[in-house]
Amino acid sequence: DTGVSQDPRHKITKRGQNVTFRCDPISEHNRLYWYRQTLGQGPEFLTYFQNEAQLEKSRLLSDRFSAERPKGSFSTLEIQRTEQGDSAMYLCASSLTSGKSYNEQFFGPGTRLTVL
Amino acid sequence: QKEVEQNSGPLSVPEGAIASLNCTYSDRGSQSFFWYRQYSGKSPELIMSIYSNGDKEDGRFTAQLNKASQYVSLLIRDSQPSDSATYLCAVNRDYKLSFGAGTTVTVRA
Repeated sequence: DTGVSQDPRHKITKRGQNVTFRCDPISEHNRLYWYRQTLGQGPEFLTYFQNEAQLEKSRLLSDRFSAERPKGSFSTLEIQRTEQGDSAMYLCASSLTSGKSYNEQFFGPGTRLTVL
Repeated sequence: QKEVEQNSGPLSVPEGAIASLNCTYSDRGSQSFFWYRQYSGKSPELIMSIYSNGDKEDGRFTAQLNKASQYVSLLIRDSQPSDSATYLCAVNRDYKLSFGAGTTVTVRA
């Protein structure tokens, strides 16, 4: 039984560069979520997918951010023209929607982004 | 007003004691409630889920929910040094989790 995996675990980039992160959810989970966490704060919701459909995006998510889940399995989060304020831990989570599910979300190890 | 507020830490308890963590939330439409544990530099780990009013026990952890008061708590009994971490309260509405800022617990040996 494998949990949620994320790649890369760490990314250092220069301001203005584009970066892309990958998330592989728990295999039977149909919902996938992206969150961002900065030091001393709880995770903040960014967006989520049910299968391949992106159902909600946070107002925090600027036009520089885009997420995809093309075949309803793995997902990618791309940040274009990175800014220093994008430095954070990017967390992916997944959950299984079922009759008795109350949306228990399980997190991956995260990708720590540093923008220089 | 923040959506989810937790009692500010840090909370220091001696080994073997009970650690008590509190959380209040503002959205009365919230549907389910969770406690996550997060070790420094790691991602959140789900430790408790609660959906209806009352208590739920799992090992040394007890979660309590009072929807009328919009209040969730977590008790950690017989605290161990390995319980030293930040505990995050999370509230679910429509598949989106809102988190508090967390309470850091230190268990003194």
